[in-house]
Amino acid sequence: SQTIHQWPATLVQPVGSPLSLECTVEGTSNPNLYWYRQAAGRGLQLLFYSVGIGQISSEVPQNLSASRPQDRQFILSSKKLLLSDSGFYLCAWSVQEDSPLHFGNGTRLTVT
Amino acid sequence: AQTVTQSQPEMSVQEAETVTLSCTYDTSESDYYLFWYKQPPSRQMILVIRQEAYKQQNATENRFSVNFQKAAKSFSLKISDSQLGDAAMYFCAYRTENAGNNRKLIWGLGTSLAVNP
Repeated sequence: SQTIHQWPATLVQPVGSPLSLECTVEGTSNPNLYWYRQAAGRGLQLLFYSVGIGQISSEVPQNLSASRPQDRQFILSSKKLLLSDSGFYLCAWSVQEDSPLHFGNGTRLTVT
Repeated sequence: AQTVTQSQPEMSVQEAETVTLSCTYDTSESDYYLFWYKQPPSRQMILVIRQEAYKQQNATENRFSVNFQKAAKSFSLKISDSQLGDAAMYFCAYRTENAGNNRKLIWGLGTSLAVNP
């Protein structure tokens, strides 16, 4: 069966520090991968999606970036965190672009 | 542009009772999908139920069912025989069929459901 792993679960980082959140999927090949952010009192916002290795599309301009170095690995990064980057980050995958989404457990990021 | 509105930020229900969560949406399209996702305290987002707009029959998954009113653009979720494990944030989401992909998912702000023992 397919599983998705996302870590760390929680992270507290100072403003200006770098960020790296990792997500891996097991049990499937060539999944579509997504990074979402969920801010307090707001719905889910799609940040990045990827349909294949090295293929990243950004939905919202910001100081975050994403990479897909391997088929089932998706990384969310920042060179310098802002206070506004605080939130809950969810990784998700789907078999195809129109298949149901399967989410990871999320990462609670607090930028201080 | 399409929008999804969940007008109830918080709801509560007694264990074993029935509760209905409301969702309305705005679209000019005729073909689309609607979803209800559940996010328990563990924070993992879980798909509860899915409805294709072209289907008149309301989707059902065990204790979860929807009341899909296409003309009224309403998509409510009914939870029967509520259990403590149903306590979660529930999100309604819309996806166009024309583009047909998850990049076009539009999410509501969620309804927090508490289940009282």
